[in-house]
Amino acid sequence: AQTVTQSQPEMSVQEAETVTLSCTYDTSENNYYLFWYKQPPSRQMILVIRQEAYKQQNATENRFSVNFQKAAKSFSLKISDSQLGDTAMYFCAFMGGPNDMRFGAGTRLTVKP
Amino acid sequence: GAVVSQHPSRVICKSGTSVKIECRSLDFQATTMFWYRQFPKQSLMLMATSNEGSKATYEQGVEKDKFLINHASLTLSTLTVTSAHPEDSSFYICSARKLSGGVLTDTQYFGPGTRLTVL
Repeated sequence: AQTVTQSQPEMSVQEAETVTLSCTYDTSENNYYLFWYKQPPSRQMILVIRQEAYKQQNATENRFSVNFQKAAKSFSLKISDSQLGDTAMYFCAFMGGPNDMRFGAGTRLTVKP
Repeated sequence: GAVVSQHPSRVICKSGTSVKIECRSLDFQATTMFWYRQFPKQSLMLMATSNEGSKATYEQGVEKDKFLINHASLTLSTLTVTSAHPEDSSFYICSARKLSGGVLTDTQYFGPGTRLTVL
């Protein structure tokens, strides 16, 4: 069974600075997808970024980028120029089979003014 | 777009009653929808996978008779919590995979969630 581990329950960062959230996963599959979702206080899950395992190039979405290390089974999220609106829970997710998405425990990020 | 709605957003009911939660994909077809449960300050736990026109697939430990799922159309899945008890109080979230050009996309789009409180 696939497992997703987020070892940082809480993190904080000063506004405008950069922060990296860690995620590791365990799988025996070769083809899969990885995601970072953001859950603000409204509880609405918002897709931040996605990565296909077969792509070597790290995904980037504006201020958000990932460091995907397939051999190490690591998928960290870097947020540059942090904004107050980035304050939220961040969940790392793994999807192997077509209907099989597993979430990590989450990291609560607080951006301080 | 890919918008998923849920109704109601919150519901309070008495113990022993049944509650139905609707999940709709507003601007796309979703042959597959998912139901998650989230306890306070915890992650999302997959309860079941809902497939249009067929029976739902439940995760281990989830009671099929208690959490009834119906996916009668390409845009609607419902979760009915039968004979609800206080321990069923939780935040229920649905998601849907978008069908695009006959192919299921790999991204799940989430509804805003339903907060259920059972007194």
